[in-house]
Amino acid sequence: KQEVTQIPAALSVPEGENLVLNCSFTDSAIYNLQWFRQDPGKGLTSLLLIQSSQREQTSGRLNASLDKSSGRSTLYIAASQPGDSATYLCAVRYNQGGKLIFGQGTELSVKP
Amino acid sequence: NAGVTQTPKFRILKIGQSMTLQCAQDMNHNYMYWYRQDPGMGLKLIYYSVGAGITDKGEVPNGYNVSRSTTEDFPLRLELAAPSQTSVYFCASSEPGQGTHEQYFGPGTRLTVT
Repeated sequence: KQEVTQIPAALSVPEGENLVLNCSFTDSAIYNLQWFRQDPGKGLTSLLLIQSSQREQTSGRLNASLDKSSGRSTLYIAASQPGDSATYLCAVRYNQGGKLIFGQGTELSVKP
Repeated sequence: NAGVTQTPKFRILKIGQSMTLQCAQDMNHNYMYWYRQDPGMGLKLIYYSVGAGITDKGEVPNGYNVSRSTTEDFPLRLELAAPSQTSVYFCASSEPGQGTHEQYFGPGTRLTVT
């Protein structure tokens, strides 16, 4: 069964810290992987998308990496800020016409 | 370019009532999806569509119906609402023909059934 797991479920860090969120998937033959951010009571905002042929993608203070052989992706957030507090979800698509399979998310709290 | 829009934002239903959640996208995406998200739980796929006139069941379709008469619109119908359908509903769209097949979400509809 194709599953996506995110550990930890919750994370609290002081402002300014660099942090890593983890995402693992059981089947390494993915098409792409997408990281989303969800603020409380809001919808999902796409942060980064990594194609299966790519190793990483960067946007501002965010860097997402992909290691298909180990079935893992990480989202690195540099110099965290209280405004980064949200739930971060990763989702995997296994073929071009397939559906996204979501992890349960990591709830991040950045303390001032 | 509004992206994915959903109406209403909030709704309270009595048990047994029916309603339609509206979803529209202006990105000319062929694929559209309906998810529900319960507190502390992940997203569960209710129904999806790969193009106008084509719909298929997801993980949790019972109690819901969909139709897709146009590329832009994908309404979700709840018949005989039950308390178990209290949830936040998200609509999404994507286009596999646009290279990355990135998925975009609407802002959600918060539904309470009492």
